[in-house]
Amino acid sequence: AQKITQTQPGMFVQEKEAVTLDCTYDTSDPSYGLFWYKQPSSGEMIFLIYQGSYDQQNATEGRYSLNFQKARKSANLVISASQLGDSAMYFCAMREGPYNQGGKLIFGQGTELSVKP
Amino acid sequence: DSGVTQTPKHLITATGQRVTLRCSPRSGDLSVYWYQQSLDQGLQFLIQYYNGEERAKGNILERFSAQQFPDLHSELNLSSLELGDSALYFCASSVTQGDTEAFFGQGTRLTVV
Repeated sequence: AQKITQTQPGMFVQEKEAVTLDCTYDTSDPSYGLFWYKQPSSGEMIFLIYQGSYDQQNATEGRYSLNFQKARKSANLVISASQLGDSAMYFCAMREGPYNQGGKLIFGQGTELSVKP
Repeated sequence: DSGVTQTPKHLITATGQRVTLRCSPRSGDLSVYWYQQSLDQGLQFLIQYYNGEERAKGNILERFSAQQFPDLHSELNLSSLELGDSALYFCASSVTQGDTEAFFGQGTRLTVV
């Protein structure tokens, strides 16, 4: 079974508008972490934002925020005021288990975001 | 710049050959992870080392092996290469085994012909 599901293979957004990229996850472990990465066409993986399963508040990093709905097992990425440079592939990932016991990431299939001028 | 250095950036080799991919983690990071990104399999975890010891194994083929040296750099060895091994191989590092961030290198693009 897929542990991380990104249902939007591709999305378009107008420059300066906000966009939400969906991510749902599946785990029975009470301790886990959720990550979002950006992969531009050049190929590198850029860390964007992290949310821990016990964090009470939604994570924010600049124009990025993570809409964490634990009961629904969703961790959607919200990008505000989209810029042309935001055009890239975006990956949601999960780390299962406590903070100090292993850190491998399980990735979703990704969402390709295109920002239109 | 994530601080994680991978060499080489590109590698083209023939089937049946053996290659070594190298990763230098960020200064102070003890944990190194290897991932493979291919079109059909997506991003898959291969193996993790923590302070020189293997800590977790994922979908790593028997033809592949890795190690982490005392200076904490890591090498991923791929042998008896097949066309299907063509992929982007990433190394990531973090301070501990389960950090809140994992920084990726730029990747090594391997093409097997």
